[in-house]
Parts: sequence; C-alpha cells; structure tokens
Amino acid sequence: AQKVTQAQTEISVVEKEDVTLDCVYETRDTTYYLFWYKQPPSGELVFLIRRNSFDEQNEISGRYSWNFQKSTSSFNFTITASQVVDSAVYFCALSEVYNQGGKLIFGQGTELSVKP
Amino acid sequence: GAVVSQHPSRVICKSGTSVKIECRSLDFQATTMFWYRQFPKQSLMLMATSNEGSKATYEQGVEKDKFLINHASLTLSTLTVTSAHPEDSSFYICSARAGADGYTFGSGTRLTVV
Repeated sequence: AQKVTQAQTEISVVEKEDVTLDCVYETRDTTYYLFWYKQPPSGELVFLIRRNSFDEQNEISGRYSWNFQKSTSSFNFTITASQVVDSAVYFCALSEVYNQGGKLIFGQGTELSVKP
Repeated sequence: GAVVSQHPSRVICKSGTSVKIECRSLDFQATTMFWYRQFPKQSLMLMATSNEGSKATYEQGVEKDKFLINHASLTLSTLTVTSAHPEDSSFYICSARAGADGYTFGSGTRLTVV
C-alpha cells in the first residue's frame, strides 16, 4: 500500500535560514506521482510541485527546490533564505497511477515556523 | 486553470442535525472526486472516492451511512454529514482529478457541531 512519511512534525527557523523538509514514500507501483502542498492557516491547499516517477531531475523554482531520489524513496523540499510568509504546514503526497484508483495520500505534514 | 468551488466555507450546526457540503467543478468535468477530513494539527485523511454515476468507495473505518456522498453529475459532488455530533467537527475538503495526473482542491469547509 502507498504511504508517505514526513518525520519532522515541526521546524522552527529564523528568517533567511535555509530549511529542508523531508519526505519518504512507499509504493509498489512503478508509475506514480509525488506532490508538495502548502497549507496556510486559512486551510486551503496551495499546490507547489508535481513530479512523476520517471523524472528524477531536481527542480528549482525561485527560493524553492526539490530533490527526488528514487534510490532512497525520498522527495525532499528545500526553502532557501526563508521568509516569514513561508510559515505554514507543508504536505508531501503520493498517488499511484495504476493501483489505488489514483488516490492522493498525504504525509503527516511538517509545520514550518519562520521567525523574524 | 481548473477550479473547484466548495460551499459552505464554515458551518455551525446543532448536534443531531445533518449538514451538506457541496463541491462544484467550475470549468471542467470531474469524473472522480475525493473527500478528505482533517482534524486540527493532523494530516488530510481520505474518507471516500466518488465516481460520477456510481456509489462512492469508502476508506476503512469511515461510516458510509453517516457520511453520504452523492456524485450525480460531472460537475457536482456532495458530502452530507448525517446526525452530526461534536466529534464530527473537522475541516472537510474535496479534491477533483483534473486531467491524468493533477488534482484540484476546494477551499474546504470548517464544520463545528455544538
């Protein structure tokens, strides 16, 4: 069965520090998608990135970067030069293409607090 | 891009009453809709998957008679919490599959049962 583990429950950093949020996943499917979402206090989910299992290239988008390593089943997320507005709960999620009906399963979430 | 409109955003109801939450796909046809529940400080837990025109598939431990899901059209799915109790107070959020590999989320409904 698919599973996503975010071992870091809470992280607190000072503004301008870099921070990495870890995500480890389990799946039996060879074709799957990985996602990161941001959830601010208002509750809505903000899509950050989607990665398919065949694309292991790292991605950078502004201050955000993602490191996908199939060998360790990890899809880590780094925020460079963090800002107070980055404070939120971040979720890693997994969907299998052929099994589980395309369900999107979330990790436990990491609450990031960026202090000025 | 694809938009899912979810209403209401907040609802307070009395214990024992029923509450209906609606999710509408505004500019695309949502053949599959997922319903999640999120308790404070916890993750989004999948409750059920609904496909247009067929019965919903519920996750283990979710009472199908309590959480009624209707997906009668390609643009509307509803979740009705029947005989709500304080322990049903939670954040409910829907998600539609938009394309082969994308998901669009509603803005969520915060339910408080008093």
